[in-house]
Amino acid sequence: GQQVMQIPQYQHVQEGEDFTTYCNSSTTLSNIQWYKQRPGGHPVFLIQLVKSGEVKKQKRLTFQFGEAKKNSSLHITATQTTDVGTYFCCYISGTYKYIFGTGTRLKVLA
Amino acid sequence: DAGITQSPRHKVTETGTPVTLRCHQTENHRYMYWYRQDPGHGLRLIHYSYGVKDTDKGEVSDGYSVSRSKTEDFLLTLESATSSQTSVYFCAISEFASNQPQHFGDGTRLSIL
Repeated sequence: GQQVMQIPQYQHVQEGEDFTTYCNSSTTLSNIQWYKQRPGGHPVFLIQLVKSGEVKKQKRLTFQFGEAKKNSSLHITATQTTDVGTYFCCYISGTYKYIFGTGTRLKVLA
Repeated sequence: DAGITQSPRHKVTETGTPVTLRCHQTENHRYMYWYRQDPGHGLRLIHYSYGVKDTDKGEVSDGYSVSRSKTEDFLLTLESATSSQTSVYFCAISEFASNQPQHFGDGTRLSIL
């Protein structure tokens, strides 16, 4: 089945540096969601984007949905050790199916 | 966190044995999902349910079956477990279909030897 590709697969940053993960689809998406999974934990919903070009912010996190609704990004400003984890994008295919990206694992070095 | 309980949390079993994982929710949400998570593959949908006795296949359904006889319980069964089914299994729920966040259980780590 179709999967949304995320890049990079892994990212190591020094604490205080910025981090960005990208989610790319070959088809137009109706919406996109972002989840965070801490090591050993379960995915936790962060946000949903629906509109073309939409930008939403949550403290140090900025989420964008591309104008063509085929890509999305999550940017973290001044990373902290609490940002460690894997970030997944996800879209809804049809009515019920949630399709997750492959994820970006972030490691923050203190 | 949403009221979702997965059981067992850990299981080790042998190839060829049947295995049933249980997901129990107290949120009265209509939609329930089973995913497996493997390194490099993210979360892949196995089966989902959109109501009592209403289920459908996801992208990796071969070798798995599900049942939902009550709103609160969604069971995932491996009829004859294989080593390729060693994985972490997550249950998720959502209140409505489309444009709704999913809430996940804590996962079941299943090892098949």
